[in-house]
Amino acid sequence: GQQVMQIPQYQHVQEGEDFTTYCNSSTTLSNIQWYKQRPGGHPVFLIQLVKSGEVKKQKRLTFQFGEAKKNSSLHITATQTTDVGTYFCAGQEGGKLIFGQGTELSVKP
Amino acid sequence: DAGVIQSPRHEVTEMGQEVTLRCKPISGHNSLFWYRQTMMRGLELLIYFNNNVPIDDSGMPEDRFSAKMPNASFSTLKIQPSEPRDSAVYFCASRQTNTEAFFGQGTRLTVV
Repeated sequence: GQQVMQIPQYQHVQEGEDFTTYCNSSTTLSNIQWYKQRPGGHPVFLIQLVKSGEVKKQKRLTFQFGEAKKNSSLHITATQTTDVGTYFCAGQEGGKLIFGQGTELSVKP
Repeated sequence: DAGVIQSPRHEVTEMGQEVTLRCKPISGHNSLFWYRQTMMRGLELLIYFNNNVPIDDSGMPEDRFSAKMPNASFSTLKIQPSEPRDSAVYFCASRQTNTEAFFGQGTRLTVV
């Protein structure tokens, strides 16, 4: 079945530094979604990418979907302490949502 | 809508006991997922329902786990008998097909 790999597993940054997490699928994805989970919380939807090569922005967050629709990335510019949490990508296989392992981001003030 | 509602929020039980986790999805959603989250394995999909029908239960770890969705507004995940290695946070999520998934607050299960 489909596998979704995400790297890195952990990232520690100084406040103001940039952050990027990468997601790779073993199969071509119909779409990809990104979620954020705060410590002690539950995953919350951020965005969905559907088109090959698509780029979407949400304030300091930039999401990309690869041309082959097998990889994606999330980039945060100038991290803030409020960005702390675990970021997950999720690929769709049929109606299922398969989550990557997540990247845990910590931000040092 | 109050969102996806899970109960209980916390459950501590002894090894060998039966555990039942409950989920009320968002009204109008046709898909429901049960996930298990641990440090080692991350977010694992256990089972996926569409229109109350189990579509894929390949993630259910073993026969001790079972899930039902008797109607569009209720689902249960049962573990019988429970074992310490079942300790995890169990999330229920619902959505309309191909849209964003909404997660419940989760049930933190501890089996001692």
